[in-house]
Amino acid sequence: GAGVSQSPSNKVTEKGKDVELRCDPISGHTALYWYRQSLGQGLEFLIYFQGNSAPDKSGLPSDRFSAERTGGSVSTLTIQRTQQEDSAVYLCASSLGRASYNEQFFGPGTRLTVL
Amino acid sequence: AQSVTQLGSHVSVSEGALVLLRCNYSSSVPPYLFWYVQYPNQGLQLLLKYTTGATLVKGINGFEAEFKKSETSFHLTKPSAHMSDAAEYFCALRTSYDKVIFGPGTSLSVIP
Repeated sequence: GAGVSQSPSNKVTEKGKDVELRCDPISGHTALYWYRQSLGQGLEFLIYFQGNSAPDKSGLPSDRFSAERTGGSVSTLTIQRTQQEDSAVYLCASSLGRASYNEQFFGPGTRLTVL
Repeated sequence: AQSVTQLGSHVSVSEGALVLLRCNYSSSVPPYLFWYVQYPNQGLQLLLKYTTGATLVKGINGFEAEFKKSETSFHLTKPSAHMSDAAEYFCALRTSYDKVIFGPGTSLSVIP
């Protein structure tokens, strides 16, 4: 079966441009997460979607970051007016429901480089 | 507040030697604990998890971890390191319906 997919795998953009990163979770997974991994750093939580509930946006670093999830499936993370410090690998994960014992399945990530 | 710490950002072991990666957590309620591995330019892959029951859990690739409540630890071990084990390892914690908290990661190098 297909795992979590993300596109593009690599994105190079100029400072000030907007970018959209896409995540396709595993079919049937109701929970979806976005993380940011900067060079040599751990995972920084960004946002969490669970079913039709309001998303947990507590990790978004600024109002330039937003995310949506359409139809409870595909998610798009948008970064407006990109800055060089936004350069990182953006990882998406999904899991089956909210239960704490459900592990997350990760996509391969999108490597964003802001020049 | 919940947190995860991993002692040692970089660990080097010789091929065939014991692998020990340390993870300590802080949580006011019973935690669910996970170890993930990340190979270069890839996403994270679950190695093993502790939910309830047996405190010694076995995972893929010969790894295992033991949940020790008294020490608030969940250290990852493997009896004999293989070159293919070189990767980044993340310990993670989750309680109830909270988001997952990841440790900062430990980079494992295996010396031939």
